[in-house]
Amino acid sequence: GQNIDQPTEMTATEGAIVQINCTYQTSGFNGLFWYQQHAGEAPTFLSYNVLDGLEEKGRFSSFLSRSKGYSYLLLKELQMKDSASYLCAVRDPGYGQNFVFGPGTRLSVLP
Amino acid sequence: KAGVTQTPRYLIKTRGQQVTLSCSPISGHRSVSWYQQTPGQGLQFLFEYFSETQRNKGNFPGRFSGRQFSNSRSEMNVSTLELGDSALYLCASSLGDNSPLHFGNGTRLTVT
Repeated sequence: GQNIDQPTEMTATEGAIVQINCTYQTSGFNGLFWYQQHAGEAPTFLSYNVLDGLEEKGRFSSFLSRSKGYSYLLLKELQMKDSASYLCAVRDPGYGQNFVFGPGTRLSVLP
Repeated sequence: KAGVTQTPRYLIKTRGQQVTLSCSPISGHRSVSWYQQTPGQGLQFLFEYFSETQRNKGNFPGRFSGRQFSNSRSEMNVSTLELGDSALYLCASSLGDNSPLHFGNGTRLTVT
């Protein structure tokens, strides 16, 4: 089966650092993707990990451990505009190379 | 480069009717996928088309169907609408199997 877990909600303060965790159990693995979705808008691609380790992109970093079925998205120097849902998704070759999405984590950034 | 375009943005239908949603992918992207997003279920995969062929289908009833044209544009059809079909329908395109999905703004369907 396929299962992806993320915390439902998180709250952090402007300027702080927040880590959003994602654990997955899928029949196959061909990459883990993070998306940001503001309310009423389409998800936008943030980052992609296929090998273990940390990928950094400006204020956003994503980490992957394939042996543990675990990833996290790290957001630094939080800004109000970072308030959004963050979706973790695994591309699963056992699922026709399609994406299995987690439920999303709604992040609220407070002043 | 233009993004993924979905039309219409909003749609209100009544139970029993049918609806067709349209999606134009990013130029050069041959894979088009459709997802249903609801508050309770999150993003659920409907189907994926590649070069006019349906490659994969999610766990949805046969009332949900789609097709892809030679120019990669795709349509999704839902027949005999039910109240539970009310959702945001998202279309996404990608270059290939190792590429991320790029989503359109979605069509918000309300069934009354």
